[in-house]
Amino acid sequence: KNQVEQSPQSLIILEGKNCTLQCNYTVSPFSNLRWYKQDTGRGPVSLTIMTFSENTKSNGRYTATLDADTKQSSLHITASQLSDSASYICVVGAGTASKLTFGTGTRLQVTL
Amino acid sequence: DAGVIQSPRHEVTEMGQEVTLRCKPISGHDYLFWYRQTMMRGLELLIYFNNNVPIDDSGMPEDRFSAKMPNASFSTLKIQPSEPRDSAVYFCASSLGREGARGQYFGAGTRLSVL
Repeated sequence: KNQVEQSPQSLIILEGKNCTLQCNYTVSPFSNLRWYKQDTGRGPVSLTIMTFSENTKSNGRYTATLDADTKQSSLHITASQLSDSASYICVVGAGTASKLTFGTGTRLQVTL
Repeated sequence: DAGVIQSPRHEVTEMGQEVTLRCKPISGHDYLFWYRQTMMRGLELLIYFNNNVPIDDSGMPEDRFSAKMPNASFSTLKIQPSEPRDSAVYFCASSLGREGARGQYFGAGTRLSVL
C-alpha cells in the first residue's frame, strides 16, 4: 500500500529561524513528489514539484530535496516569517497515471 | 483568472438531507479533482475528471456520493443522504494536464457540517 509519512506532526519556531520538515514515502513506481502549503481556512498551494531525476528545487525561501534511493524528501524553510505559519503537505505521485498519495501534513507555527 | 471557485463556503445540514457542492475550475484547465479533508485522514482524492469525463472514482466512499461535470466550467459533488461522518472540508482543484506543471490549483473549500 502506498503511504506518505510526515514528521514532525507540528512544530513551533521563532521568526527568523530555519526549519526542516521531513517526508518519507513508500510509493511505487515513483513519479513525482510535491510540497504544498495550506494556510488555515484555505486550499493548498503548490510550492515545489520534483521528478525522479531532480534532487533539489527551490522556491524563494523554500528548498525541497529528494533522495529517491532512501525515499525521503525534506522541505527547508530559511529565515522563517510569520506568514510561513501553515500546514505543509507532502504528496507523492505513482505510476504513469500519477495516482497521488497525500501525507497528513506538518503544522508549522512561527512566533515572535 | 479568479482561480477555482467553490460554493458554498460553509454548509450546515441535517442528517438525511441532500447536499450539493459546486465548483468552477480555472478556464482552460482540462482536469478537475474533488478532495475531502479531515483532521484524522488528511486529504483524500474522491474523483477526478479529464475533459469532463470521470476517469477515477475509486475514492468515492459509497453510493451516497456522486459527481458530475456537465461542461468544462462546472462540476458538482452531491451527497444523498448525508450523514454526520460526511462532515469535512471538500476541495475542488483543477490543473492543465494530469500532472500540472505547477501542480493543482485548489479552491478555498466547502466546510460541510452534518448534524
